[in-house]
Amino acid sequence: AQTVTQSQPEMSVQEAETVTLSCTYDTSESDYYLFWYKQPPSRQMILVIRQEAYKQQNATENRFSVNFQKAAKSFSLKISDSQLGDAAMYFCAYRPYSGAGSYQLTFGKGTKLSVIP
Amino acid sequence: EPEVTQTPSHQVTQMGQEVILRCVPISNHLYFYWYRQILGQKVEFLVSFYNNEISEKSEIFDDQFSVERPDGSNFTLKIRSTKLEDSAMYFCASSRDRDYEQYFGPGTRLTVT
Repeated sequence: AQTVTQSQPEMSVQEAETVTLSCTYDTSESDYYLFWYKQPPSRQMILVIRQEAYKQQNATENRFSVNFQKAAKSFSLKISDSQLGDAAMYFCAYRPYSGAGSYQLTFGKGTKLSVIP
Repeated sequence: EPEVTQTPSHQVTQMGQEVILRCVPISNHLYFYWYRQILGQKVEFLVSFYNNEISEKSEIFDDQFSVERPDGSNFTLKIRSTKLEDSAMYFCASSRDRDYEQYFGPGTRLTVT
């Protein structure tokens, strides 16, 4: 079974600074997807960024980028130029490639990010 | 921008009662999902639904749970006889196709007393 581990229950960052959230996962699959979701206090989860395991290039989305290390099974999220609106719970999630017949997301426990003005 | 919507936002029910949680997925999406998050714990997958049938379910999704797409727009989760441990936030999600991102609704907080 796949597992996703986020070892940092809480993090804080000064506004305009950079912060990195950690995520590790365990799988025996070679093809899969990894995601970071953001859950603001209103509690609707929003997709931040997605990475396909077969792609060596790290995904980026504006101020958000990932460091994907497939051999180490590590998938960290870097937020640059942090803004007050980035304060939220961040979830790392894994999903197998659909050819495996499963579409379910497996989530980590989340990291609560606070942004200090 | 289209969104997944869920009603009600909060439901309180007594143990043993039946509840129906409702979701309206994004209109051109074909895959639908339910997840739940017990307070302080991980978000857990319950079930996925495609072409009017369950395509995958977890161990949590036992006989007291059922899903339905009754009218082509709504997607419902029924809990037949609620237990205290069913208290959780229930999230509906949808995706355009199986390899596309899942978009989540705001959730329904279910409190079983």
